[in-house]
Formats: sequence, structure tokens, C-alpha cells
Amino acid sequence: GQQVMQIPQYQHVQEGEDFTTYCNSSTTLSNIQWYKQRPGGHPVFLIQLVKSGEVKKQKRLTFQFGEAKKNSSLHITATQTTDVGTYFCAGRSGTYKYIFGTGTRLKVLA
Amino acid sequence: NAGVTQTPKFQVLKTGQSMTLQCAQDMNHEYMSWYRQDPGMGLRLIHYSVGAGITDQGEVPNGYNVSRSTTEDFPLRLLSAAPSQTSVYFCASRREAGGQSYLQYFGPGTRLTVL
Repeated sequence: GQQVMQIPQYQHVQEGEDFTTYCNSSTTLSNIQWYKQRPGGHPVFLIQLVKSGEVKKQKRLTFQFGEAKKNSSLHITATQTTDVGTYFCAGRSGTYKYIFGTGTRLKVLA
Repeated sequence: NAGVTQTPKFQVLKTGQSMTLQCAQDMNHEYMSWYRQDPGMGLRLIHYSVGAGITDQGEVPNGYNVSRSTTEDFPLRLLSAAPSQTSVYFCASRREAGGQSYLQYFGPGTRLTVL
């Protein structure tokens, strides 16, 4: 079945450093969503990418969808302590179902 | 709008007990789903529904039942609880229209422990 892998599993950065997490699917995706989950909280939707090669920005966050629609990345510029949490990608390849990646836990050291 | 609500927030069960986790949304979303999240892992899809009266299995459906009698409610039933079902359960909903999905809202979660 469809699998979505995410790397790295953990990332510790100094405040002000950049951060990137990568998402790879075993199948071609129709779209991909990204979520952030704070410790003890629930996933919160960040963005959805649909088109091959799409790039979207939200302030310090940049999201990319690969040309083959099998991979994606989230890049945070100049991390802040408020960026702490786990970032998940979720890929959709069939009808309705989104398969979540294993997540990247980000810790920002002040 | 309350968004997606879940009850209870916490629950402790003994092995073999049954219970129902409640989920409701007030956004008139067609699509609702249940996920479980185990420590250090991503979310795994248990069951989902694309409208009242329509449900289907996700990645890990065994040991769980669902029904969708109204657009608003999507309860998850544990038939005979097992320690392997200790997890955090999230309900989610989103709009689906014309083959396009929109942003997905998650409830606050139910933390379930099975002894």
C-alpha cells in the first residue's frame, strides 16, 4: 500500500537557524497537505499543494511539491521558539484518503 | 462555530470493555475521519466517511466500528478494548467538492488507556 516517509525524525536547531523537513511517497500523489502539531495538541492545517512543481510561501515557511508529485518539503527560515512542534505531511493518492508521514519533531534552542 | 468537538478528553478502560468515542462537527462537512496517534508516530487512518450513511475502512480498521447517521456526528466504537488500542484518537472533518478537498480540521483528541 501507499507509504509516506518523512525525514529527519528529529531536528534540534539554534534559534535563527533554518530548518527543512522532507516527505517522500511510494506512489504519485494528487495533492499533499502539511500540518503542525504542538506538544499535547492536535494537528493544525498549514497548507495544501496540488500542482507539480508548486511552491507556496507563508511568511518564513516555504513549501514545495516535487515535479513528479512524489515528494515535498517544508523549509523554515530563521526559526523561532514558536516554531517548536512536529510537522507532518499527508499525501493523497486515491479517493479521499490522506496517508500521514511519520513527522519531524522540531526543537528550537534559544 | 465550535469546529470539531470530541468527547471524552480522557478515558481509561479495562481489557474487554467496549465504549464509544464521540465526534461532532458544525461546519456541514461531507468528509469525516478517525485517526489514531501512537507515541512518536504519525497519524494512522482508522475509518472515514464521505457522507451520511457512507463509511469505509482506513489503514487500521480492526477492532473499531463506525456509523454516520447524520452529517454532524461520526462516533467511533471500540468493540472489545485491548491494550494495543491505547492511543490518542483524533477526529477530523473537511469539505469535499468536485473531487477537490479542502483544509482539514482536527478535534482536540481523546486520550485512551486500556489496562
